[in-house]
Amino acid sequence: DVKVTQSSRYLVKRTGEKVFLECVQDMDHENMFWYRQDPGLGLRLIYFSYDVKMKEKGDIPEGYSVSREKKERFSLILESASTNQTSMYLCASSLGGSDTQYFGPGTRLTVL
Amino acid sequence: KQEVTQIPAALSVPEGENLVLNCSFTDSAIYNLQWFRQDPGKGLTSLLLIQSSQREQTSGRLNASLDKSSGRSTLYIAASQPGDSATYLCAVAGNTGKLIFGQGTTLQVKP
Repeated sequence: DVKVTQSSRYLVKRTGEKVFLECVQDMDHENMFWYRQDPGLGLRLIYFSYDVKMKEKGDIPEGYSVSREKKERFSLILESASTNQTSMYLCASSLGGSDTQYFGPGTRLTVL
Repeated sequence: KQEVTQIPAALSVPEGENLVLNCSFTDSAIYNLQWFRQDPGKGLTSLLLIQSSQREQTSGRLNASLDKSSGRSTLYIAASQPGDSATYLCAVAGNTGKLIFGQGTTLQVKP
């Protein structure tokens, strides 16, 4: 079974802090994705990566950056957290570009 | 710009009923369509993936159909059970792998 793990289930940070959300997959998948999920707005793609050290902007990249130094790990970085980044963050991976995406359990981030 | 709509937003049925969830999309140039299940506060679980060249996929009590030309997909759940209660999301993929999600249908199956 594919396993996608996220570093924290719940996280509380203060405005202006630098925040790292980590995602690890164990199936040697090429592609990894970061989404955020908000009531009324659904899931929206923040960034994705097709390969190590490669990244592509999704639909809402502003205020975020990512890092993929190793194939199995994809990190989402909030350089200076703001209250409007309070959300559920979901990581996913897939073998190929349009294959089934497997999701992690999510990180519920609260920025105070 | 691709938009995905799911109707109804919420559905409540008695146990044992067969039911259909609907998904529509505005741009028929999709690579595939995926159906997911999400339990409250959890991540998404993949249920079915239909390639653009396929008409339907089945897994157990679930059957998903795709009519690309009309921009529609349905998820059919046979003999519903209380354990089927969850939010069901459909998403369409272009050839880049980016998924565009609908808002979901929240299903409650009453014992």
